[in-house]
Amino acid sequence: GEQVEQRPPHLSVREGDSAFIICTYTDSATAYFYWYKQEPGAGLQLLMSVFSNVDRKEEQGLTVLLNKKDKQLSLNLTAAHPGDSAVYFCAVRNTGANTGKLTFGHGTILRVHP
Amino acid sequence: DMKVTQMPRYLIKRMGENVLLECGQDMSHETMYWYRQDPGLGLQLIYISYDVDSNSEGDIPKGYRVSRKKREHFSLILDSAKTNQTSVYFCASSSGQDTQYFGPGTRLLVL
Repeated sequence: GEQVEQRPPHLSVREGDSAFIICTYTDSATAYFYWYKQEPGAGLQLLMSVFSNVDRKEEQGLTVLLNKKDKQLSLNLTAAHPGDSAVYFCAVRNTGANTGKLTFGHGTILRVHP
Repeated sequence: DMKVTQMPRYLIKRMGENVLLECGQDMSHETMYWYRQDPGLGLQLIYISYDVDSNSEGDIPKGYRVSRKKREHFSLILDSAKTNQTSVYFCASSSGQDTQYFGPGTRLLVL
């Protein structure tokens, strides 16, 4: 089945710097890609979703890149601020599975310090 | 306002006791999910429900069962809880296979 590897598990950046997280998936039929943010004690908040026909998507300081050739999905937070400190998860879903099932990465703990 | 709610938010039980976790959503979503989250493991799918009384096992269903008698409610039941079921449980819902919206989680401690 689908497997998703997420790197790095921990990331510490200074305020104003960029934070880069990358996920590598295994199933070439994967078609839907998501990034979620989880703040302490809270559920997962959807940051961005992309379909496989999109290579790049930018929204509010976030850039998602999709490299289908290498089966990689990345998230870049430009000019990070302390409020971005959280756990970030990538998740993927393929078109072949009629279940809606998401496969998640193991998460990246991001700390943005002043 | 789209919302997924979970009750209770925190729960402490003794091994062997029964546990009932409740989830509700106000978006009329057909599909609902139960996940558990453990440190370093991300989220693991326990059960999916496609609509009332239409439930399927996820990746780790052993030790759990679910009930969906109304579209807006989805319950997770642990009959005779075990210490290794200590975890944070998340409910989610979606319209078909679209984006999943998550609840705030229930922290369960089984002693």
